[in-house]
Amino acid sequence: GDSVTQTEGPVTVSESESLIINCTYSATSIAYPNLFWYVRYPGEGLQLLLKVITAGQKGSSRGFEATYNKETTSFHLQKASVQESDSAVYYCALGESSGYNKLTFGKGTVLLVSP
Amino acid sequence: EAAVTQSPRNKVAVTGGKVTLSCNQTNNHNNMYWYRQDTGHGLRLIHYSYGAGSTEKGDIPDGYKASRPSQENFSLILELATPSQTSVYFCASGAGTSAETLYFGSGTRLTVL
Repeated sequence: GDSVTQTEGPVTVSESESLIINCTYSATSIAYPNLFWYVRYPGEGLQLLLKVITAGQKGSSRGFEATYNKETTSFHLQKASVQESDSAVYYCALGESSGYNKLTFGKGTVLLVSP
Repeated sequence: EAAVTQSPRNKVAVTGGKVTLSCNQTNNHNNMYWYRQDTGHGLRLIHYSYGAGSTEKGDIPDGYKASRPSQENFSLILELATPSQTSVYFCASGAGTSAETLYFGSGTRLTVL
C-alpha cells in the first residue's frame, strides 16, 4: 500500500534557526499523487499548510516551502528562520488525483521552537 | 471561514457500550471523513462519505459504522466499544475537487475503559 515516512520528532530548534522536516513517500497505487503538508497547532484541528500536485513544482506558505521530487519520492518541508509560533505538529500526506481525497498521512513531527 | 465542529471533545466510555461521535460542517462540502490517530501512527481513515445518505469504508472500518443523514452531519458509531478504540478521532470535510483541501475539526479524545 501507500505510505509516508517523515522525520521522527520531537524536533527542537531555536528561534531564527533554519528547519527541515524530511518526508518520503511510496505511492504504489497512485501514479501521480498529490502531496500535502498539514499542521496542527495546540488545541486545534489540522489545517493545510501547503500542497503541490505537479512533480518538480514547489509550494510555499507562511515562510515554509516544499518541492515535489518524483525521482527521490520526497517532499521535505523547509523554513529559513523559524518562530516560536511555528511550534506545532506537522504532517506530510499523499492523496489521489480524484475527487475523494483519501489521504495517507505520515506519523507527524512535533516541532518545538525555543525563544 | 470553513468550519467543522466535533462533539463531544472528550468522552469516556465503558467496554461494550455504544458511542456516537458527531461532526457538523457549515462548508456545504460534499465529502466528509473520519480519521483516528494513535501514538506511532499517522491519521488513518475509518469511513468517508460523498454526500447525504452515502457512506464508504476506509482503511480501518472494522468495529465502526458511519451515518450521513444530511449534507452537514456525519456521525461515527461504535456499537460495542472496546479498549482498542481508545484514540483521538478527527472529522474532516472537503469540497470534492481534485487535490481538495480538507478542513478538520479539533478532534474527539475517546477513552474506552
